[in-house]
Amino acid sequence: SAVISQKPSRDICQRGTSLTIQCQVDSQVTMMFWYRQQPGQSLTLIATANQGSEATYESGFVIDKFPISRPNLTFSTLTVSNMSPEDSSIYLCSVVVTGGRTEAFFGQGTRLTVV
Amino acid sequence: AQKVTQAQTEISVVEKEDVTLDCVYETRDTTYYLFWYKQPPSGELVFLIRRNSFDEQNEISGRYSWNFQKSTSSFNFTITASQVVDSAVYFCALSGRRVSYDKVIFGPGTSLSVIP
Repeated sequence: SAVISQKPSRDICQRGTSLTIQCQVDSQVTMMFWYRQQPGQSLTLIATANQGSEATYESGFVIDKFPISRPNLTFSTLTVSNMSPEDSSIYLCSVVVTGGRTEAFFGQGTRLTVV
Repeated sequence: AQKVTQAQTEISVVEKEDVTLDCVYETRDTTYYLFWYKQPPSGELVFLIRRNSFDEQNEISGRYSWNFQKSTSSFNFTITASQVVDSAVYFCALSGRRVSYDKVIFGPGTSLSVIP
């Protein structure tokens, strides 16, 4: 299994500013995933973060807006840059642990409100 | 393209009723994985099940059961004798070779309300 700690759990930010969200896993994982969940919506994958390489972004998401760091196998950050009210969402990091019972684990999420 | 459809946006049932949540998926992969997650009002995502495409056996876990029908590309989820604590949004999800087996694509979710 994996325990994911995500910080901050929530924040209220001014438009035009940036927020960096941290994700710490209690075991080494190859890939970490960042998702966005807009109010009342499903989860949408933002990007996949591999250690030692550039993150791979999904259609509709760009590095300038959502820069990601992955300095080691247990940690990643997602920055939401130049925020606008449309960025108000829950942001979640996720890892997949393979083994006897493969499953995807999610952090508790960061609830972001942009005013 | 890979896609997950959950046609039921919202369902309300009275406590102790059985309820089935539908999930239909699209994929061209021959090997893929299907998931169900629960998201209670508190917001955290709770993993319920992961099923690979080669295993069509239905699974039962307590009051939960899953019916995987490859012929109809469906992976439905039934809660027997529902309880108020089952009230949550339930997501069906898919991963497969074309996007990577570790990247999970989510359906739109079904909001279940269990009324006392």
